[in-house]
Amino acid sequence: EDQVTQSPEALRLQEGESSSLNCSYTVSGLRGLFWYRQDPGKGPEFLFTLYSAGEEKEKERLKATLTKKESFLHITAPKPEDSATYLCAASYNQGGKLIFGQGTELSVKP
Amino acid sequence: ETGVTQTPRHLVMGMTNKKSLKCEQHLGHNAMYWYKQSAKKPLELMFVYNFKEQTENNSVPSRFSPECPNSSHLFLHLHTLQPEDSALYLCASSQGTPGSGNTIYFGEGSWLTVV
Repeated sequence: EDQVTQSPEALRLQEGESSSLNCSYTVSGLRGLFWYRQDPGKGPEFLFTLYSAGEEKEKERLKATLTKKESFLHITAPKPEDSATYLCAASYNQGGKLIFGQGTELSVKP
Repeated sequence: ETGVTQTPRHLVMGMTNKKSLKCEQHLGHNAMYWYKQSAKKPLELMFVYNFKEQTENNSVPSRFSPECPNSSHLFLHLHTLQPEDSALYLCASSQGTPGSGNTIYFGEGSWLTVV
């Protein structure tokens, strides 16, 4: 069965405490692995797309990596404004299918 | 700043009402989507349109009726909804489908409460 699983469901960090969010996927024929940030009451905001194992992308304090089975979102020295729910999604085959994980709710305390 | 605009942002409707959600994308994309987001659940795809043609209906009940008059506009017509339909409804667009690795961009969503 095609699925995307994110862990942990919730993560509480102190400001400056680096950590990683995990996204495990089992889909046939991965076309792209997407990361989004979602603030309460708002739509998901696009962060990164990764296409092949070994690929890495960075944006400010965030770095996304991809292997053949999972993706990580590394957060370096987080700030309170990084608090949000982070979603990952996988697209596969040639159709319009995009499967989302349930998200990781990140809270960064000052 | 978002290239996908949704109205209204909040909607409260009775179970016998008829209302519509509107979405407009300013990104020049050809594909548009409706997603449903309920508390503590993954985003759930409802409908996909590509060049105005519906290419995906994810077994959505007929009380939800989509309309796509052109590649820039998408509507979701609502009638005789149930309280369990209360959720955040997200519109999105992309240039090509995600099956080709194209990125989907979301609007801010319409919060729907059915009473």
